[in-house]
Order: sequence, then C-alpha cells, then structure tokens
Amino acid sequence: ETGVTQSPTHLIKTRGQQVTLRCSSQSGHNTVSWYQQALGQGPQFIFQYYREEENGRGNFPPRFSGLQFPNYSSELNVNALELDDSALYLCASSLASLQETQYFGPGTRLLVL
Amino acid sequence: AQSVTQLDSHVSVSEGTPVLLRCNYSSSYSPSLFWYVQHPNKGLQLLLKYTSAATLVKGINGFEAEFKKSETSFHLTKPSAHMSDAAEYFCVVSDLSFQKLVFGTGTRLLVSP
Repeated sequence: ETGVTQSPTHLIKTRGQQVTLRCSSQSGHNTVSWYQQALGQGPQFIFQYYREEENGRGNFPPRFSGLQFPNYSSELNVNALELDDSALYLCASSLASLQETQYFGPGTRLLVL
Repeated sequence: AQSVTQLDSHVSVSEGTPVLLRCNYSSSYSPSLFWYVQHPNKGLQLLLKYTSAATLVKGINGFEAEFKKSETSFHLTKPSAHMSDAAEYFCVVSDLSFQKLVFGTGTRLLVSP
C-alpha cells in the first residue's frame, strides 16, 4: 500500500509569485484535504476535495485554490504569494466517511522571501 | 464549532517515567477525537482515535487516551517514556459537517535520559 506523497519537499519563492504543490493520495482514498502549518503552530484547514469537487473550505482567501484529478491526486495553488504564506503545507488523504482516519504526507516546506 | 485546548505547551519527563499530555475539547455533539504526533521535519502520524466506541482508546507505541464526557477531556498517557517519544503532539477534533480536522496548538514532549 503506497502512502501519501507530496512534491516538492522544499520550495523558495519571492513575494508576488505563484506556486503549485502536489499530492498523491494513498491507494483507494477518494478525499484529499490540505492544511497549512505555520512555524510553531498547529495545522490549519485550507480546503478538502472529494471526487474532484471542493467539499469544504477553511478561512483562507481565494488566492488559495485547488484541484483534484480523476486518480484522486491533488494540487494546491497559491497566487500572489505573501511573506506570511511561508509554512509547511500538508496534504492528507482519506475515504469519504466521517470516522475515517486522515493520513498525512510529509509536507512541502514553502519559504517566501 | 468544535475546538480543542491543549493545556501545556511543553512537558518534560525523564526516560522511563509516565507521560501525561492534557487536552480538553468543546463540541456540541459527540465528537471524533484524535491524537497525532509530529517528529522534527516529518509529517503527522496518527497515534489513536476515539469515535464513540470504547472510552479508553489504545494506540501505537504504548500510548492510550481516555474520553471523559463529564470533564470534556481526552488526555494522552503512556506508562513509560522512551527517548524516541520526544516530539510534538497534537490533539485534534473532527468537524461533523465534513472531515475538517481542528488541531490544538500542540504540546512539545521533551524526554531526558
């Protein structure tokens, strides 16, 4: 069974640029959630995708957007990067059930200069 | 809305002594509760979860947690700490509208020889 993978592992961008982060979900999982973890804090929910549709969104501006593909992999796109976007971005996959566990990938560490 | 409060930002123990990490939750209905662990520069790993079955939940690596509705608590314990237990621990509640996870601020566990 393949776990959740994310790419790239690290990324450096400058303010105003755009970035795309990628996530491959665990085999058999149809739901992907994205979280932002700023340094020294707990992860914050960005949004969730289920069967290629956004299924819920946290308190993040529209410049944070996402996609889910037919194979259930996912992308997180962030436009007009700001310094405060520097964080660890975590992807989690699961089955679409309220009691199902979310399995996390290792994350992508984004630094915005 | 669901929320969790982790009562200690840091906990220090000696190897071989018991571990207690405290978490209180707030929920308008019976919640799903989780403990995740994050080792330095790693993703999040599920330790255990409570989903309204047995109130004493056993997890991996000797950890367990007890759901106490009357105290709205879900404290994490381990009888004997290992050096490898040193990490950040997150208490998490699941939003019932979809699978949004709401994280606490984390407790850093330090284990000394």
